[in-house]
Amino acid sequence: DGGITQSPKYLFRKEGQNVTLSCEQNLNHDAMYWYRQDPGQGLRLIYYSQIVNDFQKGDIAEGYSVSREKKESFPLTVTSAQKNPTAFYLCASSLGMGSNYGYTFGSGTRLTVV
Amino acid sequence: AQSVTQLGSHVSVSEGALVLLRCNYSSSVPPYLFWYVQYPNQGLQLLLKYTSAATLVKGINGFEAEFKKSETSFHLTKPSAHMSDAAEYFCAVRRNNNDMRFGAGTRLTVKP
Repeated sequence: DGGITQSPKYLFRKEGQNVTLSCEQNLNHDAMYWYRQDPGQGLRLIYYSQIVNDFQKGDIAEGYSVSREKKESFPLTVTSAQKNPTAFYLCASSLGMGSNYGYTFGSGTRLTVV
Repeated sequence: AQSVTQLGSHVSVSEGALVLLRCNYSSSVPPYLFWYVQYPNQGLQLLLKYTSAATLVKGINGFEAEFKKSETSFHLTKPSAHMSDAAEYFCAVRRNNNDMRFGAGTRLTVKP
């Protein structure tokens, strides 16, 4: 079955460390997205990518970085510059950027700073 | 800018009662609207979407939503709540060939 796989499901980070969250899709979708979810705040866009080797900052990109070297993969790195990284991170994809396309979501990664 | 507002961060209903989750949108043009459901520690799953083909949209799990342009609303309903409906629900609007904007979410509790 096609879908999006996020790994790991749970991740613990020490202060000052960079960590990378994996997102892989086999839906042949062109567009991919990273969202951060905090209680009571809905989903906030971190980065998105419309095509390979291209990505755009979202509303809260500071302290994060991404790459899109393959159509199937869109990893997110949470750098030490992100001061409050504890959150639930969701990766999504869509067939394209057209307004009628919905998103398919992964099952998320819960990141905790220890 | 297009956005959505969900009225009520928590809604509690009894099993078998009507479920009504409210969503209002702001848009200068007819938007594309979506409802998603999220179970604990999981991703979001699409319930239904409005793409201007019909104002009453039927989705999965017995949910439906009605697009009302005069009220700028897209409320989600289900005639009879089940315990399995307990989850968080998000209304979202897709901006013009751009990313999707989500409401803050409504947590639905179903009492036995």
